[in-house]
Amino acid sequence: GAVVSQHPSWVICKSGTSVKIECRSLDFQATTMFWYRQFPKQSLMLMATSNEGSKATYEQGVEKDKFLINHASLTLSTLTVTSAHPEDSSFYICSASTSGGGNIQYFGAGTRLSVL
Amino acid sequence: AQSVTQLDSQVPVFEEAPVELRCNYSSSVSVYLFWYVQYPNQGLQLLLKYLSGSTLVKGINGFEAEFNKSQTSFHLRKPSVHISDTAEYFCAVSDRAAAAGNKLTFGGGTRVLVKP
Repeated sequence: GAVVSQHPSWVICKSGTSVKIECRSLDFQATTMFWYRQFPKQSLMLMATSNEGSKATYEQGVEKDKFLINHASLTLSTLTVTSAHPEDSSFYICSASTSGGGNIQYFGAGTRLSVL
Repeated sequence: AQSVTQLDSQVPVFEEAPVELRCNYSSSVSVYLFWYVQYPNQGLQLLLKYLSGSTLVKGINGFEAEFNKSQTSFHLRKPSVHISDTAEYFCAVSDRAAAAGNKLTFGGGTRVLVKP
């Protein structure tokens, strides 16, 4: 149980284009989803928290107009990197959790974004 | 606010030897504690968690951790490691109070390299 699917696992795009990453909870309803960014050999940096049907809450320093987050249902959240640039190249990871039960987050497998 | 310190950034260990990964945290409120493992180019997998009750927690793959409130520590141990345990390990905490949401604060990670 508690499986989170993230797609795509790897994407290459040209500078200036937009990329959408999907995060799905396959066997549970996720009241909250999180988006993280991870630089090589570093820990995870929380970008934003999203609750179903509400606007995402972005962490300080994260551009909300650049990293668009949509959480339209209890099983799906999307992160769109708009007008991507090479400095946006990174490993993006989503997680999902339900209310109660110790605040456990279940993670997707991550998406490696390379912007040329 | 919370912070998590993983004292060792890298831990080389021989196969079948024991390993201990140290984690200390700082928080003004009660927390839940977690250990996650990340294999190369993958998301995070929950190893174990401390929510309440017995301070010795057993997780998957033969790992265990002990919560020590007085020392604010949650060290991870395995009595005999395998080559397949080579990975990055993250300690994390979250605020117990439901109103605070369930954001995770991660440590910097410990890279375990198991040598034959």
